[in-house]
Amino acid sequence: SQTIHQWPATLVQPVGSPLSLECTVEGTSNPNLYWYRQAAGRGLQLLFYSVGIGQISSEVPQNLSASRPQDRQFILSSKKLLLSDSGFYLCAWSFGLNTEAFFGQGTRLTVV
Amino acid sequence: TQLLEQSPQFLSIQEGENLTVYCNSSSVFSSLQWYRQEPGEGPVLLVTVVTGGEVKKLKRLTFQFGDARKDSSLHITAAQPGDTGLYLCAGATGANNLFFGTGTRLTVIP
Repeated sequence: SQTIHQWPATLVQPVGSPLSLECTVEGTSNPNLYWYRQAAGRGLQLLFYSVGIGQISSEVPQNLSASRPQDRQFILSSKKLLLSDSGFYLCAWSFGLNTEAFFGQGTRLTVV
Repeated sequence: TQLLEQSPQFLSIQEGENLTVYCNSSSVFSSLQWYRQEPGEGPVLLVTVVTGGEVKKLKRLTFQFGDARKDSSLHITAAQPGDTGLYLCAGATGANNLFFGTGTRLTVIP
């Protein structure tokens, strides 16, 4: 069966510090991978998605970047965090168009 | 970026009441999904609708995809406290991305 791991679960970082959130998927090959950010109690904002190694599509211009160095690894990064980067970050995978997205447990990021 | 607006944003009802949540967009989607999310967790899929006008039922939940595939609704009959959560619609386009709605926070009071 497929599983998705996302870490860390919570993170408190000072303004200006770097960020690296990692997400890995097991039990499947060549999944679509997604990074979302969620404001408290609201919908999910699509940040990045990837259909293959090294292929990253960005939906919103921002202070963040994403990379896919391996088929089942998706990394969200920032060189210098801003206060506005605080939020709940979710990684997800799917088999492709029109199929269910499976989510990780999320990372609660607080920039102070 | 595709925009899916959900209404209402918040909904608080008594156990046993019926309710409808709406998901609207100006964009056409190849499919539309509904998820429910519990606090501190990722969303979990409830249903996927693909055909315009399609209606799917999941126990007390009825989902409908608009004829033009731009909107959808979720109707819950005889709501129960276990239905409490954040309901999210999500639209898929032809570019392998998946855009989520603004969310509806439902609270069912016993």
